[in-house]
Formats: sequence, C-alpha cells, structure tokens
Amino acid sequence: AQSVAQPEDQVNVAEGNPLTVKCTYSVSGNPYLFWYVQYPNRGLQFLLKYITGDNLVKGSYGFEAEFNKSQTSFHLKKPSALVSDSALYFCAVRDMNFNKFYFGSGTKLNVKP
Amino acid sequence: DTAVSQTPKYLVTQMGNDKSIKCEQNLGHDTMYWYKQDSKKFLKIMFSYNNKELIINETVPNRFSPKSPDKAHLNLHINSLELGDSAVYFCASSLRAGDEKLFFGSGTQLSVL
Repeated sequence: AQSVAQPEDQVNVAEGNPLTVKCTYSVSGNPYLFWYVQYPNRGLQFLLKYITGDNLVKGSYGFEAEFNKSQTSFHLKKPSALVSDSALYFCAVRDMNFNKFYFGSGTKLNVKP
Repeated sequence: DTAVSQTPKYLVTQMGNDKSIKCEQNLGHDTMYWYKQDSKKFLKIMFSYNNKELIINETVPNRFSPKSPDKAHLNLHINSLELGDSAVYFCASSLRAGDEKLFFGSGTQLSVL
C-alpha cells in the first residue's frame, strides 16, 4: 500500500530563514511524489513533483524538494521563507496502479515577520 | 474565470436531510474527483469519474452518490446526512485519469447539526 507521513503538525520559522517541511513515504515500486499547498479557504494547489531524474526538484514560488531514496523522504524546502508562505502543506504519493493520490495529514507552516 | 468551481461554499443542514454539492470545471479535463477533508485536515479520495464513467469508488457509505452528467460536471448527492458527514468536500479535476497534477476547487464546508 502507498502512504506518506508528515511527522510535524506545525512548523514555525522566521521570515528570511530557510524552511523545511518533512515527508516520508512508503510505496511499492517507484515513487511518484508531490507537494501541494492549501491557503486558507482555498483548494489545494500543485507545487512540485518527483517522478524520476534529479533528486532535487524545483517547483512554484521558489520551493524545492529533495528526494532521498535511502531515507524514503521527500522534504520540501525553501532557502528564504516569506510571510506569504504561511499555509498548509500536503505531501502526496500517487498509486500508479489505481490512479489514486494518497495525501499526508498536512503540515501547517507559520512564517513570522 | 474559476477553473474548478463548486457550490455551495457553505452548507449547514440538519441530520437526516438530503443535500447536493455541485462541481464544474472549465479546463477541458477528462477526469474529476471528490475528496473529503476531515476536521484534522486529513484528505481522502471518495470518487473519481473519467469521461462520465466511474473509475474510483472508495469505501464510502452508499448514502453518497456521485453523478456526472458530462465530463465537465461532477455532482455529489448525500442522503440521510449524519453528524460524521461534517467536513470540507473538495472537487478536483485532472487532464486525464492518473495525471500528475490535480486542480482543486475551493471546497464546500458541510456542517450537519
């Protein structure tokens, strides 16, 4: 079965500091991993994906994620956080056999001025 | 124009009532989805339709019945509403089944009293 885990309910960072939102995965076969962001009262928006290739993938709004096969992790990162990055972040894995996405429980990112 | 729009945005109703949520996408996508987000922000797929055909039907009470009159619309009807049905329901679409990128509506917050 495919699943992702986000071990932190909340991450607090100061504006201008680097941020990391953690995600670990459990899949059978090759992982297809994603990050989505949800702003208050909005639907989720696609940030980035890892399918194959470089372990560091770049996405929207200056975010990037690092795929680490040995640690089965796919952490979301940004070198310098903005207050406007404050939102709920979801890691997801796609089950290729059944065309389903499995989302993590979400991590609330708070960026303080 | 909103890409994926769902109505109503808020729905407050009594236990035992029947209600519907409508979703429309103007992206020309073939596949549409219903997701349920509970109070802990956990997001889980309920149904998916591809070109009006049901392709994903998770373990959901049969009080929930999706209907897709055409590939641009996917409605969700719920019979005999229960307290546990209170959640935010998100409609989403993708270009094709299993496509890597989901486009979400802004959600319908259902409160069952």
